[in-house]
Amino acid sequence: DVKVTQSSRYLVKRTGEKVFLECVQDMDHENMFWYRQDPGLGLRLIYFSYDVKMKEKGDIPEGYSVSREKKERFSLILESASTNQTSMYLCASSTNDQGFSASEQYFGPGTRLTVT
Amino acid sequence: AQRVTQPEKLLSVFKGAPVELKCNYSYSGSPELFWYVQYSRQRLQLLLRHISRESIKGFTADLNKGETSFHLKKPFAQEEDSAMYYCASNGAYNTDKLIFGTGTRLQVFP
Repeated sequence: DVKVTQSSRYLVKRTGEKVFLECVQDMDHENMFWYRQDPGLGLRLIYFSYDVKMKEKGDIPEGYSVSREKKERFSLILESASTNQTSMYLCASSTNDQGFSASEQYFGPGTRLTVT
Repeated sequence: AQRVTQPEKLLSVFKGAPVELKCNYSYSGSPELFWYVQYSRQRLQLLLRHISRESIKGFTADLNKGETSFHLKKPFAQEEDSAMYYCASNGAYNTDKLIFGTGTRLQVFP
């Protein structure tokens, strides 16, 4: 089974702090994603990485950056946390090998971040 | 902008009733479409994708290109179907990125 793990289930940070969210997958997937999940807004893509050191902005990249130095690890960085970044953050991974243009995404358990 | 629309935030039915969760997408072409489900205290997971043409847990979804819809249906709802359901698509382009709808919470009462 694919396993996607996230470093924290719950996190509380203060406004202005730099925040790191880590995601690790163990199935050698090429693609990794960071979403935020908010009630009434669904899942919104923050950043996408299709290979080591490669990244693409999603729909809401402002205030975030990412790092992918190793294939299995994708980090989301909040440079200066703000209260409007309080949310549930989901990491996902997928492979390119299934012959489809979009493969199944496997999700982590989520990190609930509260910025006070 | 490419969009996936789920018009209902909440759908409540009694056990044994038919269920239809609506999903519409805003672009032409041949997108790939998915339904993902999140049960209480579990991670988001794939329920089904249109290209597989499978029935999973009694759910089916048919792609209607004329109406640009991909509604999720089940003839007889069960209490364990209570969950959050998200429709998703990769849009009009050949991409691994998905666009998600805002989700519909299904409540099945005994």
